[in-house]
Amino acid sequence: GQQVMQIPQYQHVQEGEDFTTYCNSSTTLSNIQWYKQRPGGHPVFLIQLVKSGEVKKQKRLTFQFGEAKKNSSLHITATQTTDVGTYFCAGSSTGNQFYFGTGTSLTVIP
Amino acid sequence: EAEVAQSPRYKITEKSQAVAFWCDPISGHATLYWYRQILGQGPELLVQFQDESVVDDSQLPKDRFSAERLKGVDSTLKIQPAELGDSAMYLCASSIRQSNSPLHFGNGTRLTVT
Repeated sequence: GQQVMQIPQYQHVQEGEDFTTYCNSSTTLSNIQWYKQRPGGHPVFLIQLVKSGEVKKQKRLTFQFGEAKKNSSLHITATQTTDVGTYFCAGSSTGNQFYFGTGTSLTVIP
Repeated sequence: EAEVAQSPRYKITEKSQAVAFWCDPISGHATLYWYRQILGQGPELLVQFQDESVVDDSQLPKDRFSAERLKGVDSTLKIQPAELGDSAMYLCASSIRQSNSPLHFGNGTRLTVT
């Protein structure tokens, strides 16, 4: 099946520092979605990227889709304690079935 | 805001017993997914429905797992017999259409097999 890897697996940052997680697929993707899962919660949709080289911003979050559509990144500027959680990318090569990455668990130290 | 409903919230069962989970997607959502999430890992797609039809069940262990969505609305996932390795969170998600749509997840069913 489709393989979607994320690095790092864990990240601890001081509040106010930046954070980046990277997502890599073994196959070319049709689109990629990003989700956030708070501890004890369920994944919540953040954004979808479709176009090669696409960059989207949501306040302090910046999402990028690679030119080859095989990788993506999520960057958070000036982290806050509310950013705590696990961030997952979910890629699809068909636009239909979405396969989740391994996730990056973010801890923000006040 | 409409939500995906799942029940039960928690389930403890002994190995070799049968268990069933129920999911009611957001009204109007044609696509329904069952995912399994082991602690510390990403959700793993088990089965996807488009209306009442199975679109993808390639990752479903069919010797013990079954899923149905008879009227194209709510869905049931069954495990028989349960094994220790089945302990996980079972998440149901729905989307308004099959392609390029956000997935809306329910709160999940936490299964513990003893």
